[in-house]
Amino acid sequence: AQSVTQLGSHVSVSEGALVLLRCNYSSSVPPYLFWYVQYPNQGLQLLLKYTSAATLVKGINGFEAEFKKSETSFHLTKPSAHMSDAAEYFCAVLYTGGFKTIFGAGTRLFVKA
Amino acid sequence: EAQVTQNPRYLITVTGKKLTVTCSQNMNHEYMSWYRQDPGLGLRQIYYSMNVEVTDKGDVPEGYKVSRKEKRNFPLILESPSPNQTSLYFCATKNDRVNTGELFFGEGSRLTVL
Repeated sequence: AQSVTQLGSHVSVSEGALVLLRCNYSSSVPPYLFWYVQYPNQGLQLLLKYTSAATLVKGINGFEAEFKKSETSFHLTKPSAHMSDAAEYFCAVLYTGGFKTIFGAGTRLFVKA
Repeated sequence: EAQVTQNPRYLITVTGKKLTVTCSQNMNHEYMSWYRQDPGLGLRQIYYSMNVEVTDKGDVPEGYKVSRKEKRNFPLILESPSPNQTSLYFCATKNDRVNTGELFFGEGSRLTVL
């Protein structure tokens, strides 16, 4: 079955430190990949997406993600964490020819002062 | 402004009392969907609709109904709510003319069933 795995339900970093949130998907066929962010009491909003144009994708708020087909991964990074980055992050996959977006379980990011 | 609007945002109800969560979008999208979000499980799809009068089950449809009589509206109906339906619900739309399209979400409806 198609699935998305986010390693770590909680990640804690210090302000200014590197943010790395991991995502792996379960297909050898390159899908379309997304990262969404959910701030407290809000809906999800798109952070960035991979649609086969370039393997390194830049998103909003300084985030970026790299698609690695050999590792079936799409990890999210940010060089320097800000307090405002504290939120829950969801990796999601849309398989080619499909119409259902499959979500990972989410990773909650905590940023310490 | 492009919006997906859900109501109510918060609701506490009792077992068996029918309720409807409304969802309306102004983006002219044909695709609409309902998800529930539970801790540790991410978002799971309840129902989706590809167009007016076309609906289909997602991964967790039991205990829910939907209808799609107009393009902009996609209400979620709980005929006889039970405590295991306590959750955070999201309506989402997508421009399915763009195969790589992302989802646009409402702000969520937090439902508690006592």
